[in-house]
Amino acid sequence: DADVTQTPRNRITKTGKRIMLECSQTKGHDRMYWYRQDPGLGLRLIYYSFDVKDINKGEISDGYSVSRQAQAKFSLSLESAIPNQTALYFCATRYGSTGELFFGEGSRLTVL
Amino acid sequence: DQQVKQNSPSLSVQEGRISILNCDYTNSMFDYFLWYKKYPAEGPTFLISISSIKDKNEDGRFTVFLNKSAKHLSLHIVPSQPGDSAVYFCAASAIRQGAQKLVFGQGTRLTINP
Repeated sequence: DADVTQTPRNRITKTGKRIMLECSQTKGHDRMYWYRQDPGLGLRLIYYSFDVKDINKGEISDGYSVSRQAQAKFSLSLESAIPNQTALYFCATRYGSTGELFFGEGSRLTVL
Repeated sequence: DQQVKQNSPSLSVQEGRISILNCDYTNSMFDYFLWYKKYPAEGPTFLISISSIKDKNEDGRFTVFLNKSAKHLSLHIVPSQPGDSAVYFCAASAIRQGAQKLVFGQGTRLTINP
């Protein structure tokens, strides 16, 4: 089983719909992140959380919100999806302030 | 403002030869650098890292070089193998500033030809 699990893996929705992407981890890491990948733009940080009570905006947080329901769970919401939010979304975890990120397998979102 | 740049979107190398992937950064506070590898339909996976106190780090066929004065790092893969075909991302962080996030480049798609 994957250490960082994202659901759903694929989702097609319509403009204006509310969408939630969920992430859960079994690594016991305190830090969790949501990134978005677009062709030619690499991975850009949407939100990150150091613990349940600590949520921080990344470089492209507009149009998104997050919830850290528990140390192991970090969800990303699009309150009213728009077509330019069509992208591949990755959740990642990290222990402490150094070291590598561990990524989930990604959630591909298409907004029509 | 792209703080980490990978100016080559793609690179094609013959099997057995050396692959060199490049990355430039603009933030002089970055002091920790990583390379990630990504296959289709999978998340990125960590490959190798280097701290700014070093100028070279090796791990098997993979070597990362850091030139702080030029704000440039490179990943060398030798010899290149077909399984190395993937997208490679470089990433940077400012540990001394307590920065908790990694800033990624745009990625370079490496294709190893038999």
